[in-house]
Amino acid sequence: GAVVSQHPSRVICKSGTSVKIECRSLDFQATTMFWYRQFPKQSLMLMATSNEGSKATYEQGVEKDKFLINHASLTLSTLTVTSAHPEDSSFYICSAREGEPYEQYFGPGTRLTVT
Amino acid sequence: GQNIDQPTEMTATEGAIVQINCTYQTSGFNGLFWYQQHAGEAPTFLSYNVLDGLEEKGRFSSFLSRSKGYSYLLLKELQMKDSASYLCAVSNSNYQLIWGAGTKLIIKP
Repeated sequence: GAVVSQHPSRVICKSGTSVKIECRSLDFQATTMFWYRQFPKQSLMLMATSNEGSKATYEQGVEKDKFLINHASLTLSTLTVTSAHPEDSSFYICSAREGEPYEQYFGPGTRLTVT
Repeated sequence: GQNIDQPTEMTATEGAIVQINCTYQTSGFNGLFWYQQHAGEAPTFLSYNVLDGLEEKGRFSSFLSRSKGYSYLLLKELQMKDSASYLCAVSNSNYQLIWGAGTKLIIKP
């Protein structure tokens, strides 16, 4: 149990375009989903926390207009990187939690390359 | 502020035992997690401690002392596949996970 899927696993896009990443909890209802970014050889950086049916809470320094998060159901959250630039190239990972204080289960991650 | 401290890198020999320490200072405490992350992959859950003491799960054990703000992850009978980063994370009073920077464990034959 506790499987989280993420799609796509890899994406290459041109500068200025938008990319949507999907995160799904396959066998449980996720009251909360989290979006992280990780640069090579660095730790996880929390970008935002989203609860189903409400607006996401963004961490300081993360542009909410650039990284659009939608958590429309208890099993699906999406992250859209708008007007992507090469510096947005990174490993984006989502995680989902059934409730507090349960552990977060991570999706396999999406490697985004912006050319 | 809130912070998690763990060593940046450790090296151990295949078949041996290694202990990875984690100290924390957070606003409140609702449990401590250990995750394993192989290069290029997402983290996978290893253990959760909320009460003091040792939790054993196969070759991996995790210990917690809340009064000392301290935890360790103990890996026994090390295998080459255990080469990975090990992340310590604490759930604070708001159930927000505070992450350590991770400890890169290198296993040598």
